[in-house]
Amino acid sequence: DAGVTQSPTHLIKTRGQHVTLRCSPISGHKSVSWYQQVLGQGPQFIFQYYEKEERGRGNFPDRFSARQFPNYSSELNVNALLLGDSALYLCASSKGGENTEAFFGQGTRLTVV
Amino acid sequence: GESVGLHLPTLSVQEGDNSIINCAYSNSASDYFIWYKQESGKGPQFIIDIRSNMDKRQGQRVTVLLNKTVKHLSLQIAATQPGDSAVYFCAENPYTGKLIFGQGTTLQVKP
Repeated sequence: DAGVTQSPTHLIKTRGQHVTLRCSPISGHKSVSWYQQVLGQGPQFIFQYYEKEERGRGNFPDRFSARQFPNYSSELNVNALLLGDSALYLCASSKGGENTEAFFGQGTRLTVV
Repeated sequence: GESVGLHLPTLSVQEGDNSIINCAYSNSASDYFIWYKQESGKGPQFIIDIRSNMDKRQGQRVTVLLNKTVKHLSLQIAATQPGDSAVYFCAENPYTGKLIFGQGTTLQVKP
């Protein structure tokens, strides 16, 4: 069975540009969450989507947005990129409901120059 | 900001010894906790979880202990192997869908 897949794996962008990251959850999982992991730190929660609706948002600026599609895949968009947005962006998938196991993808390594 | 704390940034153990990684959490409302293992260049890998109505849970070579009184979690790895070398994160779940991660503990296994 395929796990959580994220694309692209690596990306280099220039300050001020926009980026779109993609995630396909495990088959049968309806919830997708996004996390940002800066080097040397633990992942920080950005968004959670369940059944195509936003269910949670972390402490990130409005430059960060996301959506979930009818097939439960998801996109994370970041506008007006800053150097500080350089990080590993992780997508986690879960079945949904309360306190279910979250499985992570390999992440997208974003470098802003 | 929100965070789950880990007591030691790096833990070095001899192959075959038992490892204990500790974690302190801050949110009393959290009722679900997870330990993840992250190898270089990879996403976090689920190891074991525990709900707040339990004190202990065992998996294959791993045990998680939860002390709600002092808001403390620990991960015990039996007979540590070189393949266990990684960064270990504890995470708490204050509400559905959101995980709060700690800074991580790097486990180094010496042959």
